[in-house]
Amino acid sequence: KAGVTQTPRYLIKTRGQQVTLSCSPISGHRSVSWYQQTPGQGLQFLFEYFSETQRNKGNFPGRFSGRQFSNSRSEMNVSTLELGDSALYLCASSLGASGIQETQYFGPGTRLLVL
Amino acid sequence: ILNVEQSPQSLHVQEGDSTNFTCSFPSSNFYALHWYRWETAKSPEALFVMTLNGDEKKKGRISATLNTKEGYSYLYIKGSQPEDSATYLCAFLNSNDYKLSFGAGTTVTVRA
Repeated sequence: KAGVTQTPRYLIKTRGQQVTLSCSPISGHRSVSWYQQTPGQGLQFLFEYFSETQRNKGNFPGRFSGRQFSNSRSEMNVSTLELGDSALYLCASSLGASGIQETQYFGPGTRLLVL
Repeated sequence: ILNVEQSPQSLHVQEGDSTNFTCSFPSSNFYALHWYRWETAKSPEALFVMTLNGDEKKKGRISATLNTKEGYSYLYIKGSQPEDSATYLCAFLNSNDYKLSFGAGTTVTVRA
């Protein structure tokens, strides 16, 4: 069974631009969560989606948004990029409705650099 | 922001030795504790999801214990091998808002 895939793997943007990152969960998994990893803040929870609904959101500004499609694939969008948005963005999928309460399987991440 | 602390930040272990390290989390509103292993250039890999006070889980040479009343979990590696070199992260899930809060990790380096 294929693992969690994320595209693109690397991305360079400039301040003020917007970016969309994509995550395809393991086949059959219905819950997708997103995380940001930076050297200063460590790994931080962004959002959790289940059945196309955002179930939970971390403490990030409204510039960070996401969605989930009917096939469980998810995208996250960051508008008006700032230098501090440079980070590794990870997504994780889990099987059922319990989402982040159960074992999560992580993708390889998208490394975003904002210049 | 919930305070999840891991100690030590890093440690070096001789191959064959055993080691352990700590994750501390708030003792109130506990729902679950996750442990992950994150090797360089790879994705974080789930080790355990622990939910009950007194829980002990084991996966090969790695095991973990949980004390929700005092707010800590230990991860043990028995007979460390070079492939155990990684950063070990714990994440606390609280029952207030069901958001995961991660510790900064313990980076383990096993010397052959």
